[in-house]
This record gives sequence, C-alpha cells and structure tokens, in this order.
Amino acid sequence: KAGVTQTPRYLIKTRGQQVTLSCSPISGHRSVSWYQQTPGQGLQFLFEYFSETQRNKGNFPGRFSGRQFSNSRSEMNVSTLELGDSALYLCASSLVASGSRNTQYFGPGTRLTVL
Amino acid sequence: GENVGLHLPTLSVQEGDNSIINCAYSNSASDYFIWYKQESGKGPQFIIDIRSNMDKRQGQRVTVLLNKTVKHLSLQIAATQPGDSAVYFCAENISGGTSYGKLTFGQGTILTVHP
Repeated sequence: KAGVTQTPRYLIKTRGQQVTLSCSPISGHRSVSWYQQTPGQGLQFLFEYFSETQRNKGNFPGRFSGRQFSNSRSEMNVSTLELGDSALYLCASSLVASGSRNTQYFGPGTRLTVL
Repeated sequence: GENVGLHLPTLSVQEGDNSIINCAYSNSASDYFIWYKQESGKGPQFIIDIRSNMDKRQGQRVTVLLNKTVKHLSLQIAATQPGDSAVYFCAENISGGTSYGKLTFGQGTILTVHP
C-alpha cells in the first residue's frame, strides 16, 4: 500500500498570505490528523477529521482550519500567515475499525516557511 | 533538526550496544502508547505500540515497557545500529471518546549510534 502523501513538500509564503496543504491518507484509512512541528514546541496536535467531520481540535487559533472530503483526503488551511507559522506540518492517517488501535501513520510533511 | 530548540535529551551509544530511551507521559487516562522514530527530513515512523493492559511488548529488536504506576514508558533497542540514529518520540492517546484521533507527543530523544 502507498503511504500517506502530502503536497506540496515545501512552500514559501509571506506574512498575511494564506496557504492550503493537502494530505492523502493510506488507502482504507478514514481518520486524518494534522500536527505542527517546530523547534520550540515540538509536535502539537492541530485537528482530526473522520467522515468529513472535525472530531477533535487542538489549541490553535481560528486561522488554522481544515476539511476532509468523501474520499478521506484532507486539506488544511492557514490564513493571515504569521512568521511563527513557519513549521513542518504533518498529516497522519489511521484505520478506525472496531476494536482497532489508533495507530497513526505519518506522511513526510510539508515544510512551510513564512517570510 | 525540528527539535533542536527544545534541548532534547541525547543518548550516544556504540554500534552493537543496547539502547534504552525513556519517556514520562502526562495523562493517567491515556491507554494507548506509541513509539515513533523520526529521521532528518522525514515524518515520524511507527516503531511499536502498547495498550495499557500490557506491561511489555516485543517487536523485532525493540521492546516497549510500560509502568502505569509512575506513568513511564521505555523503548529498548537491541544491538543498536548506525541506521537507528534518529529522534525518538513517545506518544500517548486516550482511545475512547472525542480524543481518539489526538496523539500527545513527548519532547523526543536524540539517539546517536557510533560505528
């Protein structure tokens, strides 16, 4: 099976712009979670989507949003970019079957640089 | 790397030695735990997991130990190889309810294996 894919891999934006990142989960996986990784804060949970619904949200401002499509692919959007949004954005997918563990498998990430 | 700013714990070993990486988790309600390995420029890679109804689980060259009394996890790597050099993260999860899709990560440990 192909792993989690994320596009683009690298992105450079300027303050005030907005950005959309894309994630394709492992085939058959129904849950997609997003994380932000920075040197100062480590890996932090942004939100999780399942069946096109946001089930859980981390402690991030409303500028960070996401959605999930019927094929389980997900996008996240950051509006009004700030310098502090520079980070590696990671997407992870999990199966979500009855009795299954919540094992999340990660993509390679999108490196966002805000200038 | 992604976590330099956090002043991560480091572990330096010789090739062939056994390595032990420790992690203290935060939430006594967590009932599922995962160890990930992250190499430079890549997303976290699943190594091994354990549910809270177990104290020990073994994989290929790796063993995870869970001590719920003191909220402590450890990852043991046997016969460590240079290819094991990476940052290792523990992650905790509450498998029920709305927290299903959220992993809470530790700060990570940098493992360096010298040939």
